[in-house]
Amino acid sequence: AQRVTQPEKLLSVFKGAPVELKCNYSYSGSPELFWYVQYSRQRLQLLLRHISRESIKGFTADLNKGETSFHLKKPFAQEEDSAMYYCALSGLSGAQKLVFGQGTRLTINP
Amino acid sequence: DVKVTQSSRYLVKRTGEKVFLECVQDMDHENMFWYRQDPGLGLRLIYFSYDVKMKEKGDIPEGYSVSREKKERFSLILESASTNQTSMYLCASKRNRGREHGYTFGSGTRLTVV
Repeated sequence: AQRVTQPEKLLSVFKGAPVELKCNYSYSGSPELFWYVQYSRQRLQLLLRHISRESIKGFTADLNKGETSFHLKKPFAQEEDSAMYYCALSGLSGAQKLVFGQGTRLTINP
Repeated sequence: DVKVTQSSRYLVKRTGEKVFLECVQDMDHENMFWYRQDPGLGLRLIYFSYDVKMKEKGDIPEGYSVSREKKERFSLILESASTNQTSMYLCASKRNRGREHGYTFGSGTRLTVV
């Protein structure tokens, strides 16, 4: 079964501090992992996908197959990073439906 | 730019009513999805469709049905609305090819059942 776990419902850090949002997954095959973000009053949008190995808005995420994790990191948080973040997993077959974690609400304090 | 449009931003319905939530995408995507978004539960898949007239149950299909008569439109139907279906409903679409490109979401419909 596909499952995504985000252990922190809420995370609060100060501006300029490092941020790490945790994500663990379970999947029997080779998954595709994503981070989605939802800013206040905006639609859910793709932030990162693991196969791209890119940095978006200063965020990076590395897939660790040994630990089945895909943590999202940013070295220096900005106030505009305050949002709801969802980790998601997609399988290989069919419509590649996305399975989401419970979400982490990140608040950056000035 | 892919557009996924949900017809209503807010809806208030009475218990027992039949409710239709509409979603239209304009980029010829094969796959369409309906999720509900609840605090602490994340997004949970209700139904999805990978082609016209094709549908598959997601993780929480009970109390819902769907219709996909045209490629661009995917409707979610609450046969008899109940208060526990009060939620934010998100529609999404995705192309078959290019698995890495992710989904495009609509802006959501916040449904309140009273």
